[in-house]
Amino acid sequence: KQEVTQIPAALSVPEGENLVLNCSFTDSAIYNLQWFRQDPGKGLTSLLLIQSSQREQTSGRLNASLDKSSGRSTLYIAASQPGDSATYLCAVSPSSNTGKLIFGQGTTLQVKP
Amino acid sequence: DAGVIQSPRHEVTEMGQEVTLRCKPISGHNSLFWYRQTMMRGLELLIYFNNNVPIDDSGMPEDRFSAKMPNASFSTLKIQPSEPRDSAVYFCASTSGGGNTIYFGEGSWLTVV
Repeated sequence: KQEVTQIPAALSVPEGENLVLNCSFTDSAIYNLQWFRQDPGKGLTSLLLIQSSQREQTSGRLNASLDKSSGRSTLYIAASQPGDSATYLCAVSPSSNTGKLIFGQGTTLQVKP
Repeated sequence: DAGVIQSPRHEVTEMGQEVTLRCKPISGHNSLFWYRQTMMRGLELLIYFNNNVPIDDSGMPEDRFSAKMPNASFSTLKIQPSEPRDSAVYFCASTSGGGNTIYFGEGSWLTVV
């Protein structure tokens, strides 16, 4: 059974720091991996989607990498801002259906001004 | 587009009552998903539909839970009878299939007392 783990569970950093969030999964037979952001009381917003054949994806200050063979992904946030404060969730998909997802428990990030 | 629309946003009900959660997916999307989020178990897929047909309901916890999608623009998740352990946030999400981005609604916050 696929399990997704995110470390750390919570992180607090001063504004301007570069930071890395970690995600690991037990079964390397994934089709893709996604990173989501969830603000308190809100739904999830997809940030980055990495296909299993890809190594990384970038969007603005965000960069996500994928090492499928070792079952790991990282989300790198450059020059963090208070507006980045949220919970970040990693999810893997066992099929081409990007909506059928297995989620980690998330990392709650606080960026202090 | 207004995004995925869920109702009600918040509901408090007594144990034993019937609860109906509603979802309107993004127009043109042909896949719809129901997820449940709790502190203990995180986000879990309950059921998903393709072209209004239920494809995988293996995540539905018990017979007390049922879901329907009578047409492309409407889905319901029903709990009858409700129990306190059903208290959670229920998310609806939709995609246009394949490897496309998934969009989540803002959730229905259910409390069963």
